[in-house]
Amino acid sequence: AQTVTQSQPEMSVQEAETVTLSCTYDTSESDYYLFWYKQPPSRQMILVIRQEAYKQQNATENRFSVNFQKAAKSFSLKISDSQLGDAAMYFCAYRSARRHAGGTSYGKLTFGQGTILTVHP
Amino acid sequence: ETGVTQSPTHLIKTRGQQVTLRCSSQSGHNTVSWYQQALGQGPQFIFQYYREEENGRGNFPPRFSGLQFPNYSSELNVNALELDDSALYLCALGGGPYNEQFFGPGTRLTVL
Repeated sequence: AQTVTQSQPEMSVQEAETVTLSCTYDTSESDYYLFWYKQPPSRQMILVIRQEAYKQQNATENRFSVNFQKAAKSFSLKISDSQLGDAAMYFCAYRSARRHAGGTSYGKLTFGQGTILTVHP
Repeated sequence: ETGVTQSPTHLIKTRGQQVTLRCSSQSGHNTVSWYQQALGQGPQFIFQYYREEENGRGNFPPRFSGLQFPNYSSELNVNALELDDSALYLCALGGGPYNEQFFGPGTRLTVL
């Protein structure tokens, strides 16, 4: 079974500075996706960024980027130029993918325990 | 906004009762998954439906059951409620180019 570990229960950052959230995972599969989700107090889980395991290039989405180390099974999220609106709980998540003749089938999302990010003005 | 809606927003039940939670979207998604999120924890996978059939289940007892309708809306039913069932219940609809899952705002269930 796959597991996802976020070792930082809480992190804080000053507005406009950079912060990195850590995530490690354990799997024996070779094809999978990794995600970072943001959950503000409104509870809506919002997709921040995704990474396909077969892609070596790290994903970026505006101020958000990842450092994907497949061999080390590490997937950290870097938030640059932090804004007050970035304050939320951040979850790292894993999803297996199985490619076959009929297409691709996807497994469940397995989440880490979350990291609470506080942004100080 | 993900376009996924859930109802009710929150509700309170007593132990032993039954509850039905609902999930819907303005767009068609052929996959719906349900997750349970205890306070301060990451969501845990309950089950997934694809084209109205359950095609994956997490470590939850049979008193957790679901339905997916032809219009892609979905229900989560929980029988014989227990105190530990108190949690935020999230539905997620999938089907984008990466089959990413779009989450609803959740239903907060409190069991007394």
